[in-house]
Amino acid sequence: AQTVTQSQPEMSVQEAETVTLSCTYDTSESDYYLFWYKQPPSRQMILVIRQEAYKQQNATENRFSVNFQKAAKSFSLKISDSQLGDAAMYFCAYRSYTTSGTYKYIFGTGTRLKVLA
Amino acid sequence: DSGVTQTPKHLITATGQRVTLRCSPRSGDLSVYWYQQSLDQGLQFLIQYYNGEERAKGNILERFSAQQFPDLHSELNLSSLELGDSALYFCASSDSGTGSERVGNEQFFGPGTRLTVL
Repeated sequence: AQTVTQSQPEMSVQEAETVTLSCTYDTSESDYYLFWYKQPPSRQMILVIRQEAYKQQNATENRFSVNFQKAAKSFSLKISDSQLGDAAMYFCAYRSYTTSGTYKYIFGTGTRLKVLA
Repeated sequence: DSGVTQTPKHLITATGQRVTLRCSPRSGDLSVYWYQQSLDQGLQFLIQYYNGEERAKGNILERFSAQQFPDLHSELNLSSLELGDSALYFCASSDSGTGSERVGNEQFFGPGTRLTVL
């Protein structure tokens, strides 16, 4: 069974600095998707970035980028020029294809990011 | 706005009662997922429906049940409520079809229903 591990329950970063959140996963599949979701204090789940496993190029979305290491099964999120609005819980997620013909999503336990002014 | 709607936003009830949470997926999305998030915890997957059929079950209690209707909206029924059922309940939808189509297929989350059991 697939698993997703976020080993950092909490991280802090100074405003304008860069921080990296870690995520590792375990799978025997070769084709899959990985996601980072952000959950601010409003509790709304917001997609930050996605990565297709068949793409070697790391995904980027403005100040957010990933370091996808397929062989190492690692999927870290880098936030550059951190802003106060980046303070949130961040969840790493893996999409798996199921035998029933649909997909299931497996979430990590989350990393709480604090941004210090 | 994700396009996924959930009602009600807040629900306060007493132990032993029964409640129904409603979710309308994004237009065109066939899959609906239900999650439970207790205070400062991660997301616990409860159940998934695809085009009206149950497709996967997670850690869903026997006191809980769900269904997806022909118009694709879904309801999560929680009965014999206990204090520990107090949580934020999320519905998410995706356009996950079958086959090997390469699309984004992320989940789109509704705003959640906050359930408080007193």
